[in-house]
Amino acid sequence: EIVLTQSPGTLSLSPGERATLSCRASQSVPSTDLAWYQQKPGQAPRLLIYGASTRATGIPDRFSGSGSGTDFTLTISRLEPEDFAVFYCQRHGTTFGGGTEVEIK
Amino acid sequence: EVQLVESGGGLVQPGGSLRLSCAASGFTFGSHWMTWVRQAPGKGLEWVAHISQDGSGKDYVDSVKGRFTISRDHAKNSVFLQMNTLRAEDTAVYYCARDNTYQLDYWGQGTLVTVSS
Repeated sequence: EIVLTQSPGTLSLSPGERATLSCRASQSVPSTDLAWYQQKPGQAPRLLIYGASTRATGIPDRFSGSGSGTDFTLTISRLEPEDFAVFYCQRHGTTFGGGTEVEIK
Repeated sequence: EVQLVESGGGLVQPGGSLRLSCAASGFTFGSHWMTWVRQAPGKGLEWVAHISQDGSGKDYVDSVKGRFTISRDHAKNSVFLQMNTLRAEDTAVYYCARDNTYQLDYWGQGTLVTVSS
């Protein structure tokens, strides 16, 4: 079973700053299978990125995904107030990473 | 507009059973795999199970194999999760999600299952 490890666990940043979130897999994952989700308190998760780098419909271009093999990255170029949330990576059809909380510094 | 509405959650004693439902609308139900994901209080997301378009393909996380059964009814545009022999660690919000080829692109708002005596 592939394990996805997200780091850091918490990222404390200010609006306007750049956020870089990591998702590392215990074995190689096809890029097609890697997605990122955002979850705000009390809400269902929302799809951000699929296929490692393709933004979902309606997702602003400040969100970008990259990586391949065992190392994947979600980048938020300039944090907006509404971006503070928990972010999860997932290998499609199976496990999620443990999540990274992006909090306001 | 795509909508997924879960129901059937509630309080159940350890060892008991519950059947969750997810009513889908706004898309061609029979064209998509469907997935259940859960989230224990204060914890992260856990993929639970998914089912293929025609219901012939199913898979489960190891912790629920033999206890949970996923199914779907195309006449009702619904997917179900039958949960038996429930344990305290099954306590969670259960989300239903549409699978759109390597992405869970629409999610319901979830239904809370509490397993406690």
